[in-house]
Amino acid sequence: DGGITQSPKYLFRKEGQNVTLSCEQNLNHDAMYWYRQDPGQGLRLIYYSQIVNDFQKGDIAEGYSVSREKKESFPLTVTSAQKNPTAFYLCASTTTGDLAGAYNEQFFGPGTRLTVL
Amino acid sequence: GQNIDQPTEMTATEGAIVQINCTYQTSGFNGLFWYQQHAGEAPTFLSYNVLDGLEEKGRFSSFLSRSKGYSYLLLKELQMKDSASYLCAVTDRGSTLGRLYFGRGTQLTVWP
Repeated sequence: DGGITQSPKYLFRKEGQNVTLSCEQNLNHDAMYWYRQDPGQGLRLIYYSQIVNDFQKGDIAEGYSVSREKKESFPLTVTSAQKNPTAFYLCASTTTGDLAGAYNEQFFGPGTRLTVL
Repeated sequence: GQNIDQPTEMTATEGAIVQINCTYQTSGFNGLFWYQQHAGEAPTFLSYNVLDGLEEKGRFSSFLSRSKGYSYLLLKELQMKDSASYLCAVTDRGSTLGRLYFGRGTQLTVWP
């Protein structure tokens, strides 16, 4: 079955530590995204990547880093520079087909809930 | 930039009909999505509108008026399992292809 996997589901870290969240997809999608969601909030874009070896900052990139060495994988590192990292992190992917108004539905992984102790 | 506004919370009773509104401002509108998200889970796709009018899919329908920058999601015959957050998101022709801009979500509670 095709889909997006994120691991782990729950993650705890001590303040001052870096932590990497995994995101893998086998949908053959070109574009991948990382969102952060806080209670009662919508999804805020952290980073996105449209092709391998290329990525761009989203709206709240400070304190985060990513890599895109393979089409299937888009790991997110939450660094110690992120002031308030406790949140629910969602990874998504989509095709980047038709430029003229494509049906670019984003498919989401199950999410990782990060708690900083 | 993009500005997307939807009510924070709504309540309704089982079997009723509820309409969740979404207004948006974007310079190059290229489509509007509705997603459903249960607590602690990933959002799941409900509907997509790019042209004006009503799209019906079972108990759920979504309406779009591009001239008014307005959409609504209509849920009929409400069930307890419909209690969730409903996210409105738009795409912008001037932005990165495939990027979505999300509203804060509307938390719907369905009472028995």
